[in-house]
Amino acid sequence: AQSVAQPEDQVNVAEGNPLTVKCTYSVSGNPYLFWYVQYPNRGLQFLLKYITGDNLVKGSYGFEAEFNKSQTSFHLKKPSALVSDSALYFCASMEYGNKLVFGAGTILRVKS
Amino acid sequence: DAGITQSPRYKITETGRQVTLMCHQTWSHSYMFWYRQDLGHGLRLIYYSAAADITDKGEVPDGYVVSRSKTENFPLTLESATRSQTSVYFCASSEKGRDGLAGGRFSTDTQYFGPGTRLTVL
Repeated sequence: AQSVAQPEDQVNVAEGNPLTVKCTYSVSGNPYLFWYVQYPNRGLQFLLKYITGDNLVKGSYGFEAEFNKSQTSFHLKKPSALVSDSALYFCASMEYGNKLVFGAGTILRVKS
Repeated sequence: DAGITQSPRYKITETGRQVTLMCHQTWSHSYMFWYRQDLGHGLRLIYYSAAADITDKGEVPDGYVVSRSKTENFPLTLESATRSQTSVYFCASSEKGRDGLAGGRFSTDTQYFGPGTRLTVL
């Protein structure tokens, strides 16, 4: 069975600094990986996905993610954090049948 | 373009009662999904549907029933609510992609989520 791990419950970063939210995966076959963001009392919003091709994936709101097959990681990054980036971030992998398997989530807090 | 909507947004019920959560999407997406979100677990798949009249179990289906008579609707019913079903429920939909993976049987299309229903079972 596929699984996704987000090793940090919370990440704190100062506004303007680069941010990284970590994700590791365990899948059989080719990994199909996603990042979603959830703002308070809202549904999940799609940020980006890796299916195949370039290891660096660019997504919405200036976010990008780096796929690393040897380390089985798919970390979310942004060069300069904004206070408005504070939210709950989910990494997910897709199983056959379009089913998403989610990590537990990481709270990102950006302080001014 | 309304996208994907859920109703009600908030619901309080009592143990043993039947509750139905509604999900409606305007995109004519083939796939629809129900997830529940609980602290420490992220989102877990309850049921999903690949098309009208086709449904299948996800990771945590016990205590839930779904139907899909129309492409745009995917109601989730708790036949006899229990306290452990207190959660936030999210509906999602995605198109049946044509990525050509696995002989065209596997889609990696993005899932789009509704705003959620917060259900409390007393």
